[in-house]
This record gives sequence, structure tokens and C-alpha cells, in this order.
Amino acid sequence: DAKTTQPNSMESNEEEPVHLPCNHSTISGTDYIHWYRQLPSQGPEYVIHGLTSNVNNRMASLAIAEDRKSSTLILHRATLRDAAVYYCILISNFGNEKLTFGTGTRLTIIP
Amino acid sequence: GAGVSQTPSNKVTEKGKYVELRCDPISGHTALYWYRQSLGQGPEFLIYFQGTGAADDSGLPNDRFFAVRPEGSVSTLKIQRTERGDSAVYLCASRSLDPASYNEQFFGPGTRLTVL
Repeated sequence: DAKTTQPNSMESNEEEPVHLPCNHSTISGTDYIHWYRQLPSQGPEYVIHGLTSNVNNRMASLAIAEDRKSSTLILHRATLRDAAVYYCILISNFGNEKLTFGTGTRLTIIP
Repeated sequence: GAGVSQTPSNKVTEKGKYVELRCDPISGHTALYWYRQSLGQGPEFLIYFQGTGAADDSGLPNDRFFAVRPEGSVSTLKIQRTERGDSAVYLCASRSLDPASYNEQFFGPGTRLTVL
């Protein structure tokens, strides 16, 4: 699987937007970009995914660069409950793919 | 509905002992995964079941680790002759094979294993 690179940590003020970057310069044409997050003392949870076009759901937005070599997860209005480790993961198909987690970005929300 | 459940939530054992960790997936989910997470790291894949069979066990670290899913629902991860390095949080996830599910995996809360 292609590798992703994320900053180790980020901070944001409560109620402000947060942009979490992910670089995936070796992404292949069939790789989907998935984001999961892990709240403290919990298992990871799915956030959003995309292939080429930007995506929105109730949790977040995903902005994908035109060359697909990077993407940004956008939390429009961060709350204290959004404090978590965010993982950017590439999945080559919708088959039986295991998730290959990196170390992710630890997001701290400042009240 | 009920999510993925794992028991026990915590397990403390002594080096050399045998342990079993249980995972109850979401009802109807055919795919089941086990991951292991060490402190400060992301989860690492161990094994994947599709139905009753292990479709990919490439992540199992050695032959002390074994997992079963005899009826295609509940799964048990078994660790023989535990070592201190086995201490970690063991996570289970399940997934529907419905294409509309977009490969979303649903994780349980994990079992924290401590080997003394």
C-alpha cells in the first residue's frame, strides 16, 4: 500500500475550523483516501473517504488535491469532543483490505 | 443497534500463560478483523476473517497467536505462552460486505492485555 505522511500533532482553538493535512505522493489511480479517528480510550471510527472529488458528510469535509498527492480533512467547527488521533489511510480497493495505520495526527482542542 | 463488543476489557496475566480474547461483531457483518495497538502507535493488522475462514493471517507475529471464528460470528484470539512484549490493546473490527458500506470498519473498544 502507498504510504501517507501526516504531522505528528496539531492544536486548534475550540469552535474554529481545523485543517488536517495528509501527503500521499505515491498514491495509485485506484487508491481511495480514507480518514479514521481514534478518541481517547476508544477504538478507531470512520470519518470520511474519497477518490477524486471533494466530499462532505455530517462529520467533516475532505478536500483532495487535483493531482491526488495530498488531501486535507476539514473539521468546520472544532469542539472538545474532536480531540483525537486522526489517521489518513489509502485503500486500493473495496475488497478485503486491511487498514494500514500510520502514527496519525494528534489533534488537541484548546478551550 | 449494538456495536462491536470485546471481552474482557482488561486482562492481566503472567508471562507464559495462555489467554483468550473474545470479539462479538455487529450482527450480519461477514468480515472480521483483529488489530493490535502498542502505546503511542497506530493499530497493526493481525488477521482477517471472511465468514468462518481466515482470508489473511499475514499479520500474526508468530505461531503463538491463533484466531478462530467457527460459526462466522464471534471470534476468539488466542495467545499461547504470553510474553511481556505481547502487552498491548487488541482491537476487533467488523465490516459488512455490502458494497454500499464503502469498506467502513466498525471497531470495538479493545481489550487491554498486560503481561507481567
